[in-house]
Amino acid sequence: DGGITQSPKYLFRKEGQNVTLSCEQNLNHDAMYWYRQDPGQGLRLIYYSQIVNDFQKGDIAEGYSVSREKKESFPLTVTSAQKNPTAFYLCASSWTGGWTGELFFGEGSRLTVL
Amino acid sequence: AQSVSQHNHHVILSEAASLELGCNYSYGGTVNLFWYVQYPGQHLQLLLKYFSGDPLVKGIKGFEAEFIKSKFSFNLRKPSVQWSDTAEYFCAVMRDKKNSGGSNYKLTFGKGTLLTVNP
Repeated sequence: DGGITQSPKYLFRKEGQNVTLSCEQNLNHDAMYWYRQDPGQGLRLIYYSQIVNDFQKGDIAEGYSVSREKKESFPLTVTSAQKNPTAFYLCASSWTGGWTGELFFGEGSRLTVL
Repeated sequence: AQSVSQHNHHVILSEAASLELGCNYSYGGTVNLFWYVQYPGQHLQLLLKYFSGDPLVKGIKGFEAEFIKSKFSFNLRKPSVQWSDTAEYFCAVMRDKKNSGGSNYKLTFGKGTLLTVNP
């Protein structure tokens, strides 16, 4: 089945540690996105990438880093510089050619910093 | 930068009641507008979208939304809700590709409205 796979679903981290969240898609989409979802805050864009080896900062990129070495993969690293990392993280992808505005989302990864 | 406001944080209705969820955006140029829905335990998914043409758009499961340019609004409506409509609803906006140089696919989401429908 085509879709987006995020792992792990749940992750616990001690303060001061970096952690990397995985996002893989087999939809052959060009664009990929990372959003952070907090209760009452909606979805806020962290980073997005429209093509391999290129990515742009979103609205809340501080304390995060990404890479896009392969079309199907867009991992997100939550660094120790992120002040409030406990959150639900959503990865998404979309077409860019003839873009329909539809993002396809993964199931999310819930990160808890202890 | 564009922003999206959803005025209702939590809406509680009984089955068969009518629904209207407000959404306003702040951007003076041409925009594309979306409603996404997140059912309990499921992925976020697209409910409906407006790009151009008829300002009244219809989506899945009997939902519709009306784009009113003069009010910068894109309210979601459903004449009669069901228990299965219980979900969180997100309005989103994207600047039209012509205005963004054709290269910006960035969606800005509102904070969401939680809809609870009681049987």
